[in-house]
Amino acid sequence: NAGVTQTPKFRILKIGQSMTLQCTQDMNHNYMYWYRQDPGMGLKLIYYSVGAGITDKGEVPNGYNVSRSTTEDFPLRLELAAPSQTSVYFCATIVTGTDTQYFGPGTRLTVL
Amino acid sequence: QKEVEQDPGPLSVPEGAIVSLNCTYSNSAFQYFMWYRQYSRKGPELLMYTYSSGNKEDGRFTAQVDKSSKYISLFIRDSQPSDSATYLCAMSAGSYIPTFGRGTSLIVHP
Repeated sequence: NAGVTQTPKFRILKIGQSMTLQCTQDMNHNYMYWYRQDPGMGLKLIYYSVGAGITDKGEVPNGYNVSRSTTEDFPLRLELAAPSQTSVYFCATIVTGTDTQYFGPGTRLTVL
Repeated sequence: QKEVEQDPGPLSVPEGAIVSLNCTYSNSAFQYFMWYRQYSRKGPELLMYTYSSGNKEDGRFTAQVDKSSKYISLFIRDSQPSDSATYLCAMSAGSYIPTFGRGTSLIVHP
């Protein structure tokens, strides 16, 4: 049981490039989330999904897109990378009934 | 005013000390209260969970919720260098969208 896995662990992008951050969970949880974490700023919600085919914006969605075609996978797409998107990105699921979350190990992204 | 306030620290204590970490909040609808521990370059992991008011103890860790004051605490007894991490409080009204504090950086020195 791997929980929540994320790839890649690290990535350096040039301004204007695009990439997809992958997230997979094996817990059959309906809800999945993408957060970004900047130093000393806590976690900011980018997008979330309540099930396959259903996604919604969080607090900071600009510059990102998501899709959810299966229960297991929730990729995050950056279309035109900007230095402001330099951050650590975490994917998470939630245990319904408690609102406690499982987080992936994170993807550290630098945009130069 | 932010919905959840948490002092970012850092908080530096000697090994063996009792540590008190705190968060205040403004939304009276919050019912679920969580503490996550995050080691450097790792993802957050759930440490303590409390529903509504009261205390919960797990080994050296105690979580307290005071809904009348909108204040939650995490106490760590006999702190160890391995407790050095960032501690994030989170809370929710059962909407499946938890609200996080900024996190408090804790350093326990030998």
